[in-house]
Amino acid sequence: QVQLQESGPGLVKPSQTLSLTCTVSGGSISSGSFHWNWIRQPAGKGLEWVGRISSSGNTNYNPSLKSRVTISLDPSKNQISLRLRSVTAADTAMYYCARDDPSSYDSSAFDIWGQGTMVTVSS
Amino acid sequence: IQLTQSPSSLSASVGDRVTITCRASQGIYSTLAWYQQKPGRAPSLLIYDASSLESGVPSRFSGSGSGTDFTLTISSLQPEDFATYYCQQFHDYPLTFGGGTKVEIK
Repeated sequence: QVQLQESGPGLVKPSQTLSLTCTVSGGSISSGSFHWNWIRQPAGKGLEWVGRISSSGNTNYNPSLKSRVTISLDPSKNQISLRLRSVTAADTAMYYCARDDPSSYDSSAFDIWGQGTMVTVSS
Repeated sequence: IQLTQSPSSLSASVGDRVTITCRASQGIYSTLAWYQQKPGRAPSLLIYDASSLESGVPSRFSGSGSGTDFTLTISSLQPEDFATYYCQQFHDYPLTFGGGTKVEIK
């Protein structure tokens, strides 16, 4: 079955760029009508959708982060990448990647999640 | 689209019937999902399209509603159901989540 695994540095300095990778196993990121999402969660708080990229490469971002975020696909490695520029302490959170599949539902749903990777922004 | 969950927390006993509500700031048809999150774990999908049970999820979970008002019901709370529950909409960007409802043991 499809599995997602996030990876990246656990510590990023303020004003630098956060770079994370989601590696997908058990299926191709370029096939089907899937969307690949990044969702984050500060410790003890709720979930915030960061953005998504379709299997064809179309992106949508949360306006609250849009000027700083880029999500991309690397089909050769079957990976989805997240880059968040000019980070501050407010970007400290657990970052999850998650798949949604509009073809399986009338709307969609995040049906598969990675285990998450914790990122701390601190000098 | 803002999603307001209530209550933000509740205490219940094993066997209790539990109801969590989610209100959208505008109509979202049935484009709502519910997730369960246990401490230290990623969320997992319970309900999609407002009322459809995800494969493998126990039948004691059910969802209802459309438009602006939605409900997640656990018919008979089990020990493994103590967790935080989130609603989430797919109607419009940005995709948004409710603030969560923590279900604790009484």
